[in-house]
Amino acid sequence: KNEVEQSPQNLTAQEGEFITINCSYSVGISALHWLQQHPGGGIVSLFMLSSGKKKHGRLIATINIQEKHSSLHITASHPRDSAVYICAVMSNTDKLIFGTGTRLQVFP
Amino acid sequence: DAGVIQSPRHEVTEMGQEVTLRCKPISGHDYLFWYRQTMMRGLELLIYFNNNVPIDDSGMPEDRFSAKMPNASFSTLKIQPSEPRDSAVYFCASSLTRDGPKNIQYFGAGTRLSVL
Repeated sequence: KNEVEQSPQNLTAQEGEFITINCSYSVGISALHWLQQHPGGGIVSLFMLSSGKKKHGRLIATINIQEKHSSLHITASHPRDSAVYICAVMSNTDKLIFGTGTRLQVFP
Repeated sequence: DAGVIQSPRHEVTEMGQEVTLRCKPISGHDYLFWYRQTMMRGLELLIYFNNNVPIDDSGMPEDRFSAKMPNASFSTLKIQPSEPRDSAVYFCASSLTRDGPKNIQYFGAGTRLSVL
């Protein structure tokens, strides 16, 4: 079993829909990252979380340390949000562990 | 700042050849990371440096891989000899601190390596 699991693996949505991507982990962590990889391959770091919630534009990331779970939400989704979203955790042993990613496609 | 700069963007080489990938981090960033991404294994951290010193190289797959950071503005990842299974996209990233509040990592565009 992977130490970082993302769901769903693939997600399609219509423009305007509210989207949730989930990340569960089984190790103790000091921080959790959400990354976005565009179809061209470029990677952008969206959030780093150690507790609570962060918001940037239409993106919201939450983390529940007790439940070992994080969610990435996209409000009013747009075709340009189409990308692979990757969850990564920094374990308490200082290892960076990646999820396998969620491929999102938003159709107009 | 131009961001993290990697070169080359694409590299095609034959099995057994030496491959050198280069990375210029964002000026002032004291952490530098090398990642590998494949379809099978996703993103993997290979090695990271703090203030030019390698801190954790446990992700380096084997002795054929080596990484150096001779100064704060330049790092190399070398594969010698290269093998077809090394074909992947290699990313470099830099950040101000690893675990502190300013630890957003900035990624380069990646080097796509194909070993024939």
